[in-house]
Amino acid sequence: QVQLQESGPGLVKPSETLSLTCSVSGASFSSYYWGWIRQPPGKRLEWIGYIYYTGSTNYNPSLKSRVTISVDTSKKQFSLKLTSATAADTAVYYCARLSGSLTYAFDIWGQGTTVTVSS
Amino acid sequence: SFDLTQPPSVSVSPGQTASITCSGDKLGDKFACWYQQKPGQSPVLVIYQDNKRPSGIPERFSGSKSGNTATLTISGTQPADEADYYCQAWDSSTGVFGTGTKVTVL
Repeated sequence: QVQLQESGPGLVKPSETLSLTCSVSGASFSSYYWGWIRQPPGKRLEWIGYIYYTGSTNYNPSLKSRVTISVDTSKKQFSLKLTSATAADTAVYYCARLSGSLTYAFDIWGQGTTVTVSS
Repeated sequence: SFDLTQPPSVSVSPGQTASITCSGDKLGDKFACWYQQKPGQSPVLVIYQDNKRPSGIPERFSGSKSGNTATLTISGTQPADEADYYCQAWDSSTGVFGTGTKVTVL
């Protein structure tokens, strides 16, 4: 059974870097793209970016200047860094598997982790 | 920029059919997928590639597309289907989610 689990600080100070990690179990890590999505309170889902196991990335243009997604295939983990955090980055952050065989739909999601940006 | 628009809410009686639309410029040239999100839970993929159901998704969920509008249909709606639903598509390798629709089963 494929499982994804987000981890990282639940509270980040303004102007600091938000850092999260997603751990993958029960799936072939090398056969998929892996993505990050967030959802501010009461708002719609927002795609942040994705990474392939080779390290190839693609980011939301609206966040591109502040986002870095990296991968550690030996640990079956991928990570998100979002610099210069502001209150607008307060959200539930999800990691998810992006399946090419399903024409790039997010078929497996983590449980989500709440990140609050506040001093 | 590319965006996907959904009605904010849809109400349906148990056993009836609910239809949720998703409109976007040139959506007809892209694949749409649909996610169900219940309060406090992660989204679940219910439709991909416009009209295909992942394994484990009930047959009452179906998808279609006409022109630049994709539609998610829930036939024989059950109380357990009460949730928010989001469409999603890719525009030049950028992922875009729809504005979301709250389905209420009255």
